[in-house]
Amino acid sequence: GQSLEQPSEVTAVEGAIVQINCTYQTSGFYGLSWYQQHDGGAPTFLSYNALDGLEETGRFSSFLSRSDSYGYLLLQELQMKDSASYFCAVPPRGGRRALTFGSGTRLQVQP
Amino acid sequence: DTEVTQTPKHLVMGMTNKKSLKCEQHMGHRAMYWYKQKAKKPPELMFVYSYEKLSINESVPSRFSPECPNSSLLNLHLHALQPEDSALYLCASSQDRAGGVSDTQYFGPGTRLTVL
Repeated sequence: GQSLEQPSEVTAVEGAIVQINCTYQTSGFYGLSWYQQHDGGAPTFLSYNALDGLEETGRFSSFLSRSDSYGYLLLQELQMKDSASYFCAVPPRGGRRALTFGSGTRLQVQP
Repeated sequence: DTEVTQTPKHLVMGMTNKKSLKCEQHMGHRAMYWYKQKAKKPPELMFVYSYEKLSINESVPSRFSPECPNSSLLNLHLHALQPEDSALYLCASSQDRAGGVSDTQYFGPGTRLTVL
């Protein structure tokens, strides 16, 4: 089956940099995605890594190391609006469509 | 248009009621999904439709019945639900390119269901 582990909560201040880690155990690997979800809102796509290395999209970057079964989401220049839950996700077993989500990390940005 | 819409936003129903949740997208996506999300938990996959055919049913109880009338619409019919079925029900869609594994999923705002 698929198993993804993330820290449950992270707190940081405005303007800081925060890293949210994700370790995974999967039967077959087809890439690691990251989604953001504000309270009461829908999950929204942030990034996808199929290969090792860093993908940068504005203030957000995502890193993958397939040999370590590990990835992280890096958020720079934190803003209050970044307070949300962040999920790493992989396709379910067999590389089918849809996503299996990690348990989620709740990020609290403080002034 | 990158929007997935869901109706209703909120639904309260008794255990003997029959109701339906609706989802619509006009992005030309050929894969559509139902997820269930409990408070402070990640979304959990329920069903996947690809090209209007049910391709995945994650061992969901028969009191949940999905339907895909056409490529833009996805319904979830509810009957004889239990209080533990109370949750946020999220619809999503994606392009469903070959393999589909790298497709971005676009989520609707969800229907918050309460079963009394």
